[in-house]
Amino acid sequence: SQKIEQNSEALNIQEGKTATLTCNYTNYSPAYLQWYRQDPGRGPVFLLLIRENEKEKRKERLKVTFDTTLKQSLFHITASQPADSATYLCALDPLRNTGGFKTIFGAGTRLFVKA
Amino acid sequence: ETGVTQTPRHLVMGMTNKKSLKCEQHLGHNAMYWYKQSAKKPLELMFVYSLEERVENNSVPSRFSPECPNSSHLFLHLHTLQPEDSALYLCASSQVGPGGNYGYTFGSGTRLTVV
Repeated sequence: SQKIEQNSEALNIQEGKTATLTCNYTNYSPAYLQWYRQDPGRGPVFLLLIRENEKEKRKERLKVTFDTTLKQSLFHITASQPADSATYLCALDPLRNTGGFKTIFGAGTRLFVKA
Repeated sequence: ETGVTQTPRHLVMGMTNKKSLKCEQHLGHNAMYWYKQSAKKPLELMFVYSLEERVENNSVPSRFSPECPNSSHLFLHLHTLQPEDSALYLCASSQVGPGGNYGYTFGSGTRLTVV
């Protein structure tokens, strides 16, 4: 069955360091992959989308890589700040997911950035 | 007002009650969704209204009933719920096209507690 794995253990890093979060998937061939940020008790907020033919995408301090051979995406936050503390979710979409009902979400990884 | 608005933010209901969750999107998107999020679990898609087509997750109990009167409004009607239905219920919208779905905008969610 299709499966997405995100590290269930929280990631603790020091302010100013680069945070790297991992999203692995099996039995799936996504056309594109999305990353979201979720704060406690709130809905997820869309951050970045990367397509299968893109190796890397950047937005300000954020960088996402997508390796379809390894079946893995890495999400980096450079110069991390305490305000970056949140849960980060990855989501996969197949090609032609025109109905939007084939998206699969990971359970998320909690990030704590210490001052 | 912009984005996706959900009401109420918090709801406590007894197992014999009937209540409704409301969602409104101001983005002109053509698809709306209900997701359920339980602690430390991935988002679970419940219902989709997309391009005038309704799709539902067959594992969702009949005590949950969606209604989509137009492309901007979505309701989730609740009746005779069980304590295990306590969770964060998220509404989302997206714009879907020939290439697929390009990212979700989520509401802030309704924290539901069934007593």
